[in-house]
Amino acid sequence: AQSVTQLDSHVSVSEGTPVLLRCNYSSSYSPSLFWYVQHPNKGLQLLLKYTSAATLVKGINGFEAEFKKSETSFHLTKPSAHMSDAAEYFCVVSDRTGGGNKLTFGTGTQLKVEL
Amino acid sequence: NAGVTQTPKFQVLKTGQSMTLQCAQDMNHEYMSWYRQDPGMGLRLIHYSVGAGITDQGEVPNGYNVSRSTTEDFPLRLLSAAPSQTSVYFCASSYGTGAGWFFGQGTRLTVV
Repeated sequence: AQSVTQLDSHVSVSEGTPVLLRCNYSSSYSPSLFWYVQHPNKGLQLLLKYTSAATLVKGINGFEAEFKKSETSFHLTKPSAHMSDAAEYFCVVSDRTGGGNKLTFGTGTQLKVEL
Repeated sequence: NAGVTQTPKFQVLKTGQSMTLQCAQDMNHEYMSWYRQDPGMGLRLIHYSVGAGITDQGEVPNGYNVSRSTTEDFPLRLLSAAPSQTSVYFCASSYGTGAGWFFGQGTRLTVV
């Protein structure tokens, strides 16, 4: 069985300061990991994904995440927050059994960016 | 390239009514899924499909049916709507293992 824990339900940062959104996962097999972003009343957009290549993954809009197997973590970071980053972020795991066709979502982290 | 298209965007149903949420993708993806999103719970998998003619249940399948007669379409049927089915529903598609999933814009359903 696979599961995802997003350690913070809300994170608030000032514009121009770093962003850290924390995610721990559990998976019986070698997982694929994703971060998605959802702006208010919108669908979900893929930020980045890890699929067993480089452990440091770069995504869109300056976000990146590092896969740490020993810590079972996949934290999302950005060096400098922008007002447009305010949204809800979901960490997602997909294991490779059954063709990797089931995603398990975390409960989400709401990012607030203040002036 | 439209991606994943869901219709309708909004719907209000009375308890006991049935309806079908439509989902279509134009990317020739084999994998398609339906999720519901409820506050504080992330997205939960309702049903999924790995290709035309093949469907299976996800985490919360009760009260919903699906079929996959073509690669492009994956409709979700509510058999007899209940207030507990008030939610935002997302359809998604993917190439498969390790690939990212593309999501539709969602259908906001209210059952009164």
